Amino acid sequence: DAGITQSPRHKVTETGTPVTLRCHQTENHRYMYWYRQDPGHGLRLIHYSYGVKDTDKGEVSDGYSVSRSKTEDFLLTLESATSSQTSVYFCAAGLLNTGELFFGEGSRLTVL
Amino acid sequence: GQQLNQSPQSMFIQEGEDVSMNCTSSSIFNTWLWYKQDPGEGPVLLIALYKAGELTSNGRLTAQFGITRKDSFLNISASIPSDVGIYFCAGPYNNNDMRFGAGTRLTVKP
Repeated sequence: DAGITQSPRHKVTETGTPVTLRCHQTENHRYMYWYRQDPGHGLRLIHYSYGVKDTDKGEVSDGYSVSRSKTEDFLLTLESATSSQTSVYFCAAGLLNTGELFFGEGSRLTVL
Repeated sequence: GQQLNQSPQSMFIQEGEDVSMNCTSSSIFNTWLWYKQDPGEGPVLLIALYKAGELTSNGRLTAQFGITRKDSFLNISASIPSDVGIYFCAGPYNNNDMRFGAGTRLTVKP
């Protein structure tokens, strides 16, 4: 157990509503990541953070924003959820020099 | 789009068989990583490779870092039912950006 917890684990929401997913780590890792997992696409990087208040876009960042005000918390926000954002979202934290990322258990989001 | 191309997409094998899967990229990677995802969980690191030509084992798993730095393969010997899952290759696309392949889904029939 690498101390990565995600909340909520499951959420159903309606199109157009804002949604925030939270990732909390207890290991003081500098790097944190948000991925989405969809059949046939594997894990696609949404945003990542390389320190407090330091974030950057990944390959599928449109419609998402992130914030990291403390080392331990990395928030992913969908400002206006769409059905195409129905997915399983994974947070990860870790050691970029070794490449080892520790993943949370995922948050399943359904947008109706 | 994806920087890492994995094949095959899925495999159905009999318990006891050996398995081979690979990952290729049009870009050079300086690190290759192999992760496994069990159903309903997040991925877990299996093997990390840091040097071109490196061959590394972890129990029944063996992985190699291709000499061109554009590919890697993972072998599993004598598969068992708990090998079921999705196997991902991964690598740092730039300094901070960790990218994953689309995965190889392995099913092992007892």
